[in-house]
Amino acid sequence: NAGVTQTPKFQVLKTGQSMTLQCAQDMNHEYMSWYRQDPGMGLRLIHYSVGAGITDQGEVPNGYNVSRSTTEDFPLRLLSAAPSQTSVYFCASRAADLYNEQFFGPGTRLTVL
Amino acid sequence: AQSVTQPDIHITVSEGASLELRCNYSYGATPYLFWYVQSPGQGLQLLLKYFSGDTLVQGIKGFEAEFKRSQSSFNLRKPSVHWSDAAEYFCAVGANNAGNMLTFGGGTRLMVKP
Repeated sequence: NAGVTQTPKFQVLKTGQSMTLQCAQDMNHEYMSWYRQDPGMGLRLIHYSVGAGITDQGEVPNGYNVSRSTTEDFPLRLLSAAPSQTSVYFCASRAADLYNEQFFGPGTRLTVL
Repeated sequence: AQSVTQPDIHITVSEGASLELRCNYSYGATPYLFWYVQSPGQGLQLLLKYFSGDTLVQGIKGFEAEFKRSQSSFNLRKPSVHWSDAAEYFCAVGANNAGNMLTFGGGTRLMVKP
């Protein structure tokens, strides 16, 4: 199993550009989520999904869109990038049972100029 | 809403010394508590978790944590630190609601002196 994979690893955007961060998992996990990590603030939840076709907002959803058309994939879209979105982005997945471990991808480091 | 506080942003210990990283949480019901470790440039790895039962939980790499309801704390400990333990450590609380997503503390960066 590859676990949770994210692409790209690094990305530089100009303000106003759009892009999609890719996330895929091969563990057949129902739950997937996106976090952003900023110094001193830990990880903050952006959006999450409890199954294909179902998504919901987390703590910091503004400026981001998600969709979940398959169990495996959960892309995160930035419609019009802003410098405040410079961060490290982590995708995570876990099985539906609350007691299951959440697995994290390796992260995408995004810089918006 | 739940919240997690890690009071120490940076901690430096000597190799072989004992370690305690502090974590305080705020949550109205029985919390689900986790400690994760992040090595430089890496994703997060689960060290241990607490759901119920014995308040002292053992994890990987020789770590343990103790849940103290009266103090709303879940401190991480290790009796003897190794240089390879240098990393950032995150405490998190999971809520028993739709999605059961995690709320993280701000993290504690551990440095180990030789």
